[in-house]
Amino acid sequence: GQSLEQPSEVTAVEGAIVQINCTYQTSGFYGLSWYQQHDGGAPTFLSYNALDGLEETGRFSSFLSRSDSYGYLLLQELQMKDSASYFCAVPGNTPLVFGKGTRLSVIA
Amino acid sequence: DSGVTQTPKHLITATGQRVTLRCSPRSGDLSVYWYQQSLDQGLQFLIQYYNGEERAKGNILERFSAQQFPDLHSELNLSSLELGDSALYFCASGSGTRRQETQYFGPGTRLLVL
Repeated sequence: GQSLEQPSEVTAVEGAIVQINCTYQTSGFYGLSWYQQHDGGAPTFLSYNALDGLEETGRFSSFLSRSDSYGYLLLQELQMKDSASYFCAVPGNTPLVFGKGTRLSVIA
Repeated sequence: DSGVTQTPKHLITATGQRVTLRCSPRSGDLSVYWYQQSLDQGLQFLIQYYNGEERAKGNILERFSAQQFPDLHSELNLSSLELGDSALYFCASGSGTRRQETQYFGPGTRLLVL
């Protein structure tokens, strides 16, 4: 089957940088996706890595190492509005299998 | 706004009842995915439809069923409701043409079973 591990909670200071890690086990790897979900809101797509390396989109970057079955989401210049849950996801027996999510709290 | 619509936003019902949740995908998307999200279970994939046909099935209970209509909107039917069915139900849509594609989520239906 598939499994994804990510920390359940992370706290960081406004203006700082935070890294949210994700390790996965899956067969037939196609890529690693990241989604953001604010409390009471819907998950929204952030990024997708199919190849090793770093993908940057504004303040957010996502990294993948397929040999290590590992990826991370990097958030820079943290803002209060970045407080949310962040999910990594991979395809598996179902179209997407989501990790349990990392709740990021940004504090002043 | 993802372009995916879901109705109703909130639903309160009693145990043993049946409800129907509705989803309209983004214009041009052929695939609809249903998810259940509860506090301790995270996002659980229920079922996927592609152009009217069931394509993938996840942890969907036998009391639950879904369908996708010719206009591509989808309905998730939940019957013989139990307290544990209280959750957020999301619909997402995508093209359905790639193994891993971006899914666009609707705002969700919050179901409370009393």
